[in-house]
Amino acid sequence: QQKVQQSPESLIVPEGGMASLNCTSSDRNVDYFWWYRQHSGKSPKMLMSIFSNGEKEEGRFTVHLNKASLHTSLHIRDSQPSDSALYLCAASDNNRIFFGDGTQLVVKP
Amino acid sequence: DAGVTQTPRHEVAEKGQTIILKCEPVSGHNDLFWYRQTKIQGLELLSYFRSKSLMEDGGAFKDRFKAEMLNSSFSTLKIQPTEPKDSAVYLCASSWDNNERLFFGHGTKLSVL
Repeated sequence: QQKVQQSPESLIVPEGGMASLNCTSSDRNVDYFWWYRQHSGKSPKMLMSIFSNGEKEEGRFTVHLNKASLHTSLHIRDSQPSDSALYLCAASDNNRIFFGDGTQLVVKP
Repeated sequence: DAGVTQTPRHEVAEKGQTIILKCEPVSGHNDLFWYRQTKIQGLELLSYFRSKSLMEDGGAFKDRFKAEMLNSSFSTLKIQPTEPKDSAVYLCASSWDNNERLFFGHGTKLSVL
């Protein structure tokens, strides 16, 4: 069932730095991608979505999508300690929604 | 804030017991998902309903896991019989449709002794 792969497993960045997270699907039926953020002890909450090729920016967060390679990436600039969380990539094949194992991000003050 | 409501928040069961987890989706949402989350396996899809119809029955989870949605505002996940390896957080999520964001409940933390 592992249709979504994320890298790296964990990432440590200094406060104010740039964090870059990757996600690829092995299922050619996938056509929608989301990024969710899950703080420790909480449930996941959607951060950003991307359905078309290209780039989308919201504040300090930017997502890229290459539909040909089924690869999406999330970039967080000016990282803050409050960004420390598990970042989950999700993909939909227009029926089910699958999640990757996540990237654990730690932003050190 | 009428989000997704899950009960109970915590459940402790003895091996072999039957437990039932409950979920109330966001009012008006058509899609409902059950996931299991562990540190080792991450988020695993257990069941998926669209407009109360079962679309995904969990594959490897079929034998002891049964999700039902008798009406559009209530779903249950039954685990029978429970095993220690079922210890995990069970998350329920809902959305308008599968191309929209998921809203998650707080989850039920299950411990099987």
